[in-house]
Amino acid sequence: GENVEQHPSTLSVQEGDSAVIKCTYSDSASNYFPWYKQELGKRPQLIIDIRSNVGEKKDQRIAVTLNKTAKHFSLHITETQPEDSAVYFCAVPANSGYSTLTFGKGTMLLVSP
Amino acid sequence: DSGVTQTPKHLITATGQRVTLRCSPRSGDLSVYWYQQSLDQGLQFLIQYYNGEERAKGNILERFSAQQFPDLHSELNLSSLELGDSALYFCASSVTRGSLNEKLFFGSGTQLSVL
Repeated sequence: GENVEQHPSTLSVQEGDSAVIKCTYSDSASNYFPWYKQELGKRPQLIIDIRSNVGEKKDQRIAVTLNKTAKHFSLHITETQPEDSAVYFCAVPANSGYSTLTFGKGTMLLVSP
Repeated sequence: DSGVTQTPKHLITATGQRVTLRCSPRSGDLSVYWYQQSLDQGLQFLIQYYNGEERAKGNILERFSAQQFPDLHSELNLSSLELGDSALYFCASSVTRGSLNEKLFFGSGTQLSVL
């Protein structure tokens, strides 16, 4: 099946700093790369996604970049705020298709005031 | 609120027992997914149903089974429970109208504790 590795597993930053989380995947046919955010005790929620026909997508303070040649994609959060503290998961389509996603193991981001 | 409803929120049971987790998808969504979340394994895909039929299978144990009913709600049955089955079980739904890449809407999860 599709493999996805996510780094780092934990990330601590000061408020206002930038944070970058990276995921690498194995299936070169993958064409959809979402990021989900899970706050403590809450459900995962989609925050941004990118499709393989674009290299970068931005939404206010968050952006995702994709390097298909190297088979990795990254989440960038600028001007971090304490409310950005959460676990972030990357995902790629599972080989079975049909919108099933294989998730990375998550990155716990802690933003200190 | 995602529109996906899961019950119960918490479940405490003993080893060897059987439990049923229930999920109602968002109105109009045809696909239901079950994921298991544990501290060391992240979000593990278990199984997907689409309009009543099994569509994809992940790392689901033989002791676990699921089904999707005509009204599109789904149930995940876990039997012969072991301590290691303690986890947070999420249900998610999506529209699935031909697109392979869709946003998943997660429920709030069922926290299962096997004692």
